[in-house]
Formats: sequence, structure tokens, C-alpha cells
Amino acid sequence: NAGVTQTPKFQVLKTGQSMTLQCAQDMNHEYMSWYRQDPGMGLRLIHYSVGAGITDQGEVPNGYNVSRSTTEDFPLRLLSAAPSQTSVYFCASSRGVGQYFGPGTRLTVT
Amino acid sequence: AQKITQTQPGMFVQEKEAVTLDCTYDTSDQSYGLFWYKQPSSGEMIFLIYQGSYDEQNATEGRYSLNFQKARKSANLVISASQLGDSAMYFCAMRGTASKLTFGTGTRLQVTL
Repeated sequence: NAGVTQTPKFQVLKTGQSMTLQCAQDMNHEYMSWYRQDPGMGLRLIHYSVGAGITDQGEVPNGYNVSRSTTEDFPLRLLSAAPSQTSVYFCASSRGVGQYFGPGTRLTVT
Repeated sequence: AQKITQTQPGMFVQEKEAVTLDCTYDTSDQSYGLFWYKQPSSGEMIFLIYQGSYDEQNATEGRYSLNFQKARKSANLVISASQLGDSAMYFCAMRGTASKLTFGTGTRLQVTL
């Protein structure tokens, strides 16, 4: 099993550009989520999904969209990037107790 | 609403000594789970230990144990026999009935010789 994979690992965007952060898992987990981590803070939940076709907002959803067309994939879309979205983004999946995190994407918006 | 509080921004411990990282939580859920994660300088999030709110015994995983005091709403992580490789950020997190994880702000542990 590859576990949770995220692409890209690093990305630099200009303000106003759009992009999609990819997340995939091969563990057949129903629950997937996106977090952002800013310096001096813990991880904050952006969006989550409890299964294919079902998504919901977390703590900091503004500026981000998600969709869940398959169990395996949970992409995060930035529609119009802003410097405030500079952060490290983690995708996670779970089924039961353990929550497995991807390696993260470091995004810089200039 | 759920809240996790970690009041120790940084901790130092000597190699081979034990260290306790503090975590308090607040929730109105009756059923919840408490987690500890380690984040080394490489950045990945590593799951360490889990405690369910109805578990009667404190969780242990190797050198990690969770000191769960439900009445005090605390879930402290105890690392025994610290090693240099334990130097990292440690995050306490809670999951309630909505399956969402709420994280604390973390404690940076530095293990010294």
C-alpha cells in the first residue's frame, strides 16, 4: 500500500492563480480530510468527506473547494490564491481510530 | 465546540529521562477520542497513541503512554527513556462524534545529551 499520497510536494503561485492539490489513498478509507498548518499553530481542518459524493466544511473553508467523486481521491482546489493561503497542506484518511496523513504540500503564494 | 490546549510551547529533557507533555481538552461530546502525533523536522505527521473516552485503562505504545484523567479533562503524553530521535513537535488532538480532528498548538521537545 502506498498509503496517502499528495502531489505536488512544493508549489509557488502568484496571487489570483488557481490550482488543485491532489490527494489519493489506497486503503479504501471512507473518511478523508484536508488540513492546513501555519507556523506556531496546530493543524486546522479545511474540508472533510465521510464518503464518495459527501463533503462538508471544516474550521477554515473559505477560499477552498473540494469534491469526492471516488473513494480514493479527494482534491483540494484553490480558486484564486491569496498570500494568506501560504501554508503547508496535509491530506489525511481514516477508517476507525487511526488517521493517516500524507507527506504534505508546501504552498507559497506571492 | 471542541478545544485542545497545550500550554508548553517548548520542553527540554535529558536523554534517557522521562518527560510529560501536557494536554487538556474541552468538549460536550460523551464519546470522543484523544490522539498524540509526532512531527519531526522532516514534516510528516506520525501517529503515536490513541485513547478512547470510554477506555478504562491508560493507553500505552512502547515508550509512549497516555495519562488520561477524564474528570480533569487531561490527556498527557509520557515518553519514557527519551532518545535523541524523540526531538520533534508533538501535537495533541481530539476527535468527537463528528469525526473531525481538532489539534492543539503543539509542544516542541528537545532531547539533550
